[in-house]
Amino acid sequence: DTEVTQTPKHLVMGMTNKKSLKCEQHMGHRAMYWYKQKAKKPPELMFVYSYEKLSINESVPSRFSPECPNSSLLNLHLHALQPEDSALYLCASSLPGGDPRGRESPTGAKNIQYFGAGTRLSVL
Amino acid sequence: AQKVTQAQTEISVVEKEDVTLDCVYETRDTTYYLFWYKQPPSGELVFLIRRNSFDEQNEISGRYSWNFQKSTSSFNFTITASQVVDSAVYFCALKRHSNYQLIWGAGTKLIIKP
Repeated sequence: DTEVTQTPKHLVMGMTNKKSLKCEQHMGHRAMYWYKQKAKKPPELMFVYSYEKLSINESVPSRFSPECPNSSLLNLHLHALQPEDSALYLCASSLPGGDPRGRESPTGAKNIQYFGAGTRLSVL
Repeated sequence: AQKVTQAQTEISVVEKEDVTLDCVYETRDTTYYLFWYKQPPSGELVFLIRRNSFDEQNEISGRYSWNFQKSTSSFNFTITASQVVDSAVYFCALKRHSNYQLIWGAGTKLIIKP
């Protein structure tokens, strides 16, 4: 089973709203990711959590706030977003690397990112 | 610098034709990993294959096959006897040994007409 579940599937919010995106996996993966994808573009990495600790923040504006409450769950809290933040937000998970930055594991466990179906976010 | 180029923006073929999607990568690393993902209109990125830089053999999985040519830094993907359900955007990606980040190509939109 390589399932990553994201909720909600669609979200419309105003610029003053606060909302949260949720991502869940039960594959025992200890690395989880948030990506943003604009139409006709590849995904852009936003955050990486490794063993529930924030490992990578790709200079994302503070109106996006990630949270990893436990090894199966990843949230993205949204506040005061702009219309240009409208996009598909994808969550992914993988076996972790050999260190917090994601170096391939010396045990040979494969770092393959498995993605959820995404949340289509529209900011009005 | 690491880079992945998918020069074909869009390919359109008739069902049952064979089609090859090109992927050319740049890296100075000796150990690296290459991936193909499929993204249907629903949005989910579906993992298809991961290839290590030190693997020698090419891969075949049903109608899908992958040709890894280290000499030309290419990792091409062929679909044999294409079907309408193969219509999607296909991304090639490169991962360094040393970190989590995937370096993505721009994607190729594949349209299979009935």
